[in-house]
Amino acid sequence: GAGVSQSPSNKVTEKGKDVELRCDPISGHTALYWYRQSLGQGLEFLIYFQGNSAPDKSGLPSDRFSAERTGGSVSTLTIQRTQQEDSAVYLCASSSPHSGGATNEKLFFGSGTQLSVL
Amino acid sequence: GDSVTQMEGPVTLSEEAFLTINCTYTATGYPSLFWYVQYPGEGLQLLLKATKADDKGSNKGFEATYRKETTSFHLEKGSVQVSDSAVYFCAVQGGSEKLVFGKGTKLTVNP
Repeated sequence: GAGVSQSPSNKVTEKGKDVELRCDPISGHTALYWYRQSLGQGLEFLIYFQGNSAPDKSGLPSDRFSAERTGGSVSTLTIQRTQQEDSAVYLCASSSPHSGGATNEKLFFGSGTQLSVL
Repeated sequence: GDSVTQMEGPVTLSEEAFLTINCTYTATGYPSLFWYVQYPGEGLQLLLKATKADDKGSNKGFEATYRKETTSFHLEKGSVQVSDSAVYFCAVQGGSEKLVFGKGTKLTVNP
């Protein structure tokens, strides 16, 4: 596809259930990021992948949160035993290193998954 | 770790007014600085960036200058339009690969 695709766009779940959020990055992008956007909290970094490995998972709020990436492409963010405070928009972004350098700059964002935990 | 502090708003202006949204940062090394924008119902997108001290990023009439001495990257526009109504996020990318965002500033421009 032309952009970063996230699914589902909306997810309503009951407290205590597990949820899986999916991100399809732009083809060829090696870096993939997950952020959480809550009212009044701005964009909170969760985890970053370079290829299939996650050099920085410092933002995961608790051990209920995990993420994986396979084949250097699709990523899944899993939240176990969801709590009401997990309600937020979960954003995925991807980017490609500049040629000749290692720094990733421009991030391309998906439209997000709106998660509501009742 | 790296961090960003930006004016939280909300900011409400009349069309053609001057806009400033303040942003200051802390980061290791020689960070790159960014402004991202989120229009209503749309995803985040890059507005402008600056990668070294004294660089000026500009796009769509918006400007921001990388000031290392004051660790600032304030966003300005001389004459805002209704179509500029959006949430604006300042961001820094320091020694690590991750982009750290501020909390966002909601701008509403009235006709």
